[in-house]
Amino acid sequence: DVKVTQSSRYLVKRTGEKVFLECVQDMDHENMFWYRQDPGLGLRLIYFSYDVKMKEKGDIPEGYSVSREKKERFSLILESASTNQTSMYLCASSLSPRQENTEAFFGQGTRLTVV
Amino acid sequence: AQSVSQHNHHVILSEAASLELGCNYSYGGTVNLFWYVQYPGQHLQLLLKYFSGDPLVKGIKGFEAEFIKSKFSFNLRKPSVQWSDTAEYFCAVNKKDDKIIFGKGTRLHILP
Repeated sequence: DVKVTQSSRYLVKRTGEKVFLECVQDMDHENMFWYRQDPGLGLRLIYFSYDVKMKEKGDIPEGYSVSREKKERFSLILESASTNQTSMYLCASSLSPRQENTEAFFGQGTRLTVV
Repeated sequence: AQSVSQHNHHVILSEAASLELGCNYSYGGTVNLFWYVQYPGQHLQLLLKYFSGDPLVKGIKGFEAEFIKSKFSFNLRKPSVQWSDTAEYFCAVNKKDDKIIFGKGTRLHILP
């Protein structure tokens, strides 16, 4: 089974802190994604990466950056955390969309609270 | 902008009722379509998917969905719901060579 592991289930950080959310997948997937999930807004794509060192902005990239130094690991960085970044963060991975089976597999999520 | 619309934000049904959750998308051309489910306290998991072929797709736990290309729709159905179907359901779409876009979700609450 595909496993997508997020390093923390719960995090509490102070405003202005630099925050790292880590995600690792074990199925050699090309694509990795970071979403945030908020009530009534569904899943909104922050960034995605289709290869090592490649990244593309999603719909809400402001205030975030990402890093993909290795194929299996995709990190989300909040350069200076703010209270409006309090949310559930979901990491996902999938095969290349140029292949047929492009369903995404999700991690358990990290609930981040910025105080 | 490309988008996915789910018609109902919150649905309440009694056990054994029939279910249909609407999903429309705005992409043109060839798309892959998905329904994901998130049970309380659990991670998102795939319910069913459509890539090509028969537009009526069967998934896990008795769910099915029908792709109607002319209507840009991919509605989720189940003939008789159970209390354990209480969850949030997300429709998602991607084009080949593109990211996966999700709808805002539908919270389904089944009354025992």
